[in-house]
Amino acid sequence: QSVLTQPPSASGTPGQRVTISCSGSSSNIGSNTVNWYQQLPGTAPKLLIYSNNQRPSGVPDRFSGSKSGTSASLAISGLQSEDEADYYCAAWDDSPSWVFGGGTKLTVL
Amino acid sequence: QLQLQESGPGLVKPSETLSLTCTVSGGSISSSSYYWGWIRQPPGKGLEWIGSIYYSGSTYYNPSLKSRVTISVDTSKNQFSLKLSSVTAADTAVYYCARHVVEFDYYMDVWGKGTTVTVSS
Repeated sequence: QSVLTQPPSASGTPGQRVTISCSGSSSNIGSNTVNWYQQLPGTAPKLLIYSNNQRPSGVPDRFSGSKSGTSASLAISGLQSEDEADYYCAAWDDSPSWVFGGGTKLTVL
Repeated sequence: QLQLQESGPGLVKPSETLSLTCTVSGGSISSSSYYWGWIRQPPGKGLEWIGSIYYSGSTYYNPSLKSRVTISVDTSKNQFSLKLSSVTAADTAVYYCARHVVEFDYYMDVWGKGTTVTVSS
């Protein structure tokens, strides 16, 4: 059971906009920033969004993040076939520890 | 650019100790801006943080694994290591090392490629 809650799956067609949610609590998302990771099949996770809505160099602006209260969202616009991957949210928890979501498998139909 | 590489045995027997090392290249492990950590992913499952260490030796561990985990750092070799004792089949996973940014905000920005560890007799 993951500390952060994500839907197990999401899907969309090419060109569509999809969102993935991440729900936490006051000790993690509520008091710290959220990061998102993309994991392509058979590869290591890659930082996609940090500090709620910042993109590392090289990440397309089709990817965006937001946070409100104890929840966060990842949005992918102009969906492409290469976006098919697992997506994880993560945040620092004040316990202290790192916590992850269970992951969302994105399918491009 | 910065690279992290995990190394260690791919097969460990039940009840024994799993030992892995992460070698950092292209940058110094002694930077004040970063922690260095271990994350694992059981087959078909999600990511689980194991623990993190600062170059000074200060550590944080996942409470659920704390009794079995030791993370250490060797700044002279630019390496940090993981020891997980009394392993069972549930510890079978891909183990990743990663750099944790801790200046201004917290995130894991550089990951190793991962190494698969199987616990089996």
